[in-house]
Amino acid sequence: NAGVMQNPRHLVRRRGQEARLRCSPMKGHSHVYWYRQLPEEGLKFMVYLQKENIIDESGMPKERFSAEFPKEGPSILRIQQVVRGDSAAYFCASSQLETEAFFGQGTRLTVV
Amino acid sequence: AQSVAQPEDQVNVAEGNPLTVKCTYSVSGNPYLFWYVQYPNRGLQFLLKYITGDNLVKGSYGFEAEFNKSQTSFHLKKPSALVSDSALYFCAALQGGSYIPTFGRGTSLIVHP
Repeated sequence: NAGVMQNPRHLVRRRGQEARLRCSPMKGHSHVYWYRQLPEEGLKFMVYLQKENIIDESGMPKERFSAEFPKEGPSILRIQQVVRGDSAAYFCASSQLETEAFFGQGTRLTVV
Repeated sequence: AQSVAQPEDQVNVAEGNPLTVKCTYSVSGNPYLFWYVQYPNRGLQFLLKYITGDNLVKGSYGFEAEFNKSQTSFHLKKPSALVSDSALYFCAALQGGSYIPTFGRGTSLIVHP
């Protein structure tokens, strides 16, 4: 049973480009979460999704950021027109209802 | 709203000594509580959880945690620390009926040889 798979592990984008981060949850998990981690700031919740539905996006910046979890395929976190402040580690986690979440290895985004 | 506090940014302990990493929570109703460990450039790994039952929960790598309802705490402990335990530790809480776990800021554990 493969764990949560994220790709790419490292992503470098120039300012103004788009970044697409992918996450395949663990088999059988229907809940997907995205978190952002910055040094000295801990883990910040961004968005919670179930298949084809965004349940809670209260942690997402209002502009440039979007997420989806289609019926088929991985969950995607999309950042348009990236800026230097978007540089961070982005983690995806998946779970079943009211159980522990399992995390992927993360995507480290660097904006140059 | 649920919240988790890890009051120590860093904990230093000598190898072989017992270690404690502190966590307090604020959750309505009965909480689900979790500990995770993160090694450099890696994702978070699940260590242990409290859902219900015995207040002392045993987890991976010899770690355990004690749920204390009156003090709203869920401290992580290990009787004898190893240098390889050095990592970043996160406490998380989930309110029953909620779907989104809240994480503490993390505590860096450094075990000295």
